[in-house]
Amino acid sequence: EPEVTQTPSHQVTQMGQEVILRCVPISNHLYFYWYRQILGQKVEFLVSFYNNEISEKSEIFDDQFSVERPDGSNFTLKIRSTKLEDSAMYFCASSSRTRLAGELFFGEGSRLTVL
Amino acid sequence: AQKITQTQPGMFVQEKEAVTLDCTYDTSDQSYGLFWYKQPSSGEMIFLIYQGSYDEQNATEGRYSLNFQKARKSANLVISASQLGDSAMYFCAMREGPAAGNKLTFGGGTRVLVKP
Repeated sequence: EPEVTQTPSHQVTQMGQEVILRCVPISNHLYFYWYRQILGQKVEFLVSFYNNEISEKSEIFDDQFSVERPDGSNFTLKIRSTKLEDSAMYFCASSSRTRLAGELFFGEGSRLTVL
Repeated sequence: AQKITQTQPGMFVQEKEAVTLDCTYDTSDQSYGLFWYKQPSSGEMIFLIYQGSYDEQNATEGRYSLNFQKARKSANLVISASQLGDSAMYFCAMREGPAAGNKLTFGGGTRVLVKP
């Protein structure tokens, strides 16, 4: 069964460093998303992406964050200058236009630890 | 106001018994969807079941069923015949508007622990 894959599974970085989290969505999906989950808390929406542009973003997604689809398969989240509070699990998800429910298919997550 | 509210932070259930997880939602949209996801300790988010706002029948998917009460704006998940592997965090989520490309908003989750 097709799945969303994310790399790295875990990244440790120093505060102020740039981080890029990578995702390969399901191949025929058109809508892509990033969510984050701070340990023990709810899953929070960051950004959605369609047709090579951001379709919606939350107030969490400030100027320190950016997303890109550099080629036909990868979807990346960049954090320019990481802060301690960016420590979280980051989930990539994708969805298909053809599925009635519009359910999101999630990757296994990338755990980011900022020291 | 919270869009999705899950009032039960944690629950114990005996193996083979049924458990109901509460979810209430708030939206002014006529077209919306309600979802339940399971998050085991390994961390991935697994889609379980979906209910559309215009669906007249409650959704069922194997041992999962969704008790949809539109007037009360509730979408409770019922897990029948609980198994040890059902121990996990469960999230209710809502999509407002039509399906294509709209984000999901998640509740705070309910942790379920199935006792042997």
